[in-house]
Amino acid sequence: QSALTQPASVSGSPGQSITISCTGTSSDVGAYNLVSWYHQHPGKAPKLIIFEVNNRPSGVSDRFSGSKSGNTASLTISGLQAEDEADYYCCSYAGSSTYVFGSGTKVTVL
Amino acid sequence: QVQLVESGGGVVQPGRSVRLSCAASGFPFNTYSMHWVRQAPGKGLEWVAIISYDGSFQFYADSVKGRISVSRDKSNNTLYLQMNSLRVEDTAIYYCATEGNLHTRYFFDLWGQGTLVTVSS
Repeated sequence: QSALTQPASVSGSPGQSITISCTGTSSDVGAYNLVSWYHQHPGKAPKLIIFEVNNRPSGVSDRFSGSKSGNTASLTISGLQAEDEADYYCCSYAGSSTYVFGSGTKVTVL
Repeated sequence: QVQLVESGGGVVQPGRSVRLSCAASGFPFNTYSMHWVRQAPGKGLEWVAIISYDGSFQFYADSVKGRISVSRDKSNNTLYLQMNSLRVEDTAIYYCATEGNLHTRYFFDLWGQGTLVTVSS
């Protein structure tokens, strides 16, 4: 199972919006509306920010939103803040109780 | 306190074995499927294994299949990962995580802080 493809880095200024793409195949992202997103600050465990493509867990800012079209899922961060600087990972269910993560994107707040 | 706490990591020689533990507290452990996810130093996340809430099935990533085994003990709310024939490329932080929540599945909700396994001679 190959990793989902994400851009290595994305940057933006405070207040701007950025979008991170996550491209898979018709066997994972395209097959299921079961894409989740995580961010990970240095030295910390990942934290869930989006599940089932576009649902936010309780307590996660509404500045985070998700979408999907075909084999590509996307995470948009609106009103970028300094605290959003982190690594971001998508993940998709891939059938037969298996999962595949994205390659990861480093978000830099300029 | 709702938490997962991993332990058992350390430096292990290639070809040897290690057993990692993940102690759960503060939530109904026996109602959640559990996962192991790993992260090599400076690299991305890699899904490793799942065990169902009752331990009746397990699935593994192709990269570790045949060399690892996941199990759970409901009497002490602990998840285990037995890793055999360790390779240098197994060097990583190993995280345990719950699957979903009470209403839906297919994502990783609660994560532990991770335990580092270094495979080196």
